[in-house]
Amino acid sequence: NAGVMQNPRHLVRRRGQEARLRCSPMKGHSHVYWYRQLPEEGLKFMVYLQKENIIDESGMPKERFSAEFPKEGPSILRIQQVVRGDSAAYFCASSRGTTGNTIYFGEGSWLTVV
Amino acid sequence: TQLLEQSPQFLSIQEGENLTVYCNSSSVFSSLQWYRQEPGEGPVLLVTVVTGGEVKKLKRLTFQFGDARKDSSLHITAAQPGDTGLYLCAGESSGGSNYKLTFGKGTLLTVNP
Repeated sequence: NAGVMQNPRHLVRRRGQEARLRCSPMKGHSHVYWYRQLPEEGLKFMVYLQKENIIDESGMPKERFSAEFPKEGPSILRIQQVVRGDSAAYFCASSRGTTGNTIYFGEGSWLTVV
Repeated sequence: TQLLEQSPQFLSIQEGENLTVYCNSSSVFSSLQWYRQEPGEGPVLLVTVVTGGEVKKLKRLTFQFGDARKDSSLHITAAQPGDTGLYLCAGESSGGSNYKLTFGKGTLLTVNP
């Protein structure tokens, strides 16, 4: 089975541009999570989505960041008007359910803002 | 806010040595997971421990969950260069929201040949 697929793996954006990161969960998984790993910091939860629903976005910055998981297609994390502080590794993870289900991480998307 | 402190932050040893890394918190977790992350890659799950006092073995790796479910350790016997990587612990809070894992900053292990 293919794992969690993320693309692009590496993305360079100039300040003020938009970044779109895509994530296809593992087959059979309907729960998607986004985590961010800033330099010198641990992974931090951002958002939890199921198909067409945002379940928990308590870890998302209030401005410029949004996430969706449409009925068809991958989940997308969108960062508008990027700033240098957005440079980080963004990891998507998926699971079949929540309680008692293992979460599998993708290989990450590395965003660099110049 | 739940925090997980990992120690040591960096560890450089010779092939064949044994080592232990620690993951500590003042909070209770319903389960704790250990991951290994290589440069440019995502975290790969090694083990999940659920019961206080639980010990799990994975070849040369031994994982232990503290009796009070606040801390954990990872012991590697006869380390090999292939064990090099960032070891992360992550705790699942009580209440069923296991998606909101709390991660430590990791222990960066280097095993020299």
